Amino acid sequence: NAGVTQTPKFRVLKTGQSMTLLCAQDMNHEYMYWYRQDPGMGLRLIHYSVGEGTTAKGEVPDGYNVSRLKKQNFLLGLESAAPSQTSVYFCASSHPSGGHREQFFGPGTRLTVL
Amino acid sequence: KNQVEQSPQSLIILEGKNCTLQCNYTVSPFSNLRWYKQDTGRGPVSLTIMTFSENTKSNGRYTATLDADTKQSSLHITASQLSDSASYICVVSGPYGNNRLAFGKGNQVVVIP
Repeated sequence: NAGVTQTPKFRVLKTGQSMTLLCAQDMNHEYMYWYRQDPGMGLRLIHYSVGEGTTAKGEVPDGYNVSRLKKQNFLLGLESAAPSQTSVYFCASSHPSGGHREQFFGPGTRLTVL
Repeated sequence: KNQVEQSPQSLIILEGKNCTLQCNYTVSPFSNLRWYKQDTGRGPVSLTIMTFSENTKSNGRYTATLDADTKQSSLHITASQLSDSASYICVVSGPYGNNRLAFGKGNQVVVIP
C-alpha cells in the first residue's frame, strides 16, 4: 500500500496563477484533510472532507477550494495564487471509527508563489 | 493564542542519551493527545495517542505521559539514535473533535554522534 500520496512534490507559481494539488489514499479512509505548514507555526487545517461529495472549511480556508469527487482523492485548488500561500501543504486521511481517527499524512507539497 | 505550547523549541543531544520534551495545552474540553514525529522533508508520523484516562503510553524507545489535571504531557526518548533527529509535534483533540486538531509548533531535536 502506498498510503497517502501527493502530487506534485514541488511547484513554483507566479502571483495570480492557478493550480491544483492532488491527494490520493489507498486505505479506504472516509475522512481526508488539507493542512498548511509554515515556519514557526503549527499545522493549520485548510479544508477537510468526511466523505465523498462533502467538504467543510477548516481554520484557514480563504483563497482555497477543494473537491472530493472520489473517495480516494481530495483536491486542493488555488484559483489566484498569492505570495502568502507560499507554504508546505500536507494531506492526511483517517478512518471514521477506532483509533481516535489517527491521521495518516502524505509527504507534502512545497509551493512557492513569486 | 496558541492552545498547545511545546518546550524546548530545540535541543541538541548526544547519541545514546535520553531527553524529555514538554507539551502544555489549554484546549478544553479535552478528548485525546497525540505525539507525531516529523522527519525533515516528510509528513508527520503518529507515535502515540492517549485519552484522558491514560497517563502513559510507550512506542519502542518513545514514552509519552499525560496529566490531564494539569494539562501537561511529555515525550521521553530513551537511548537516542541519530534517526531520532526530527521535529516532535504535540497535537490535542478538543471541542471540535478529531477533525479539528490543535497542533503545537514542535520540538526540534538534533542527535549528534
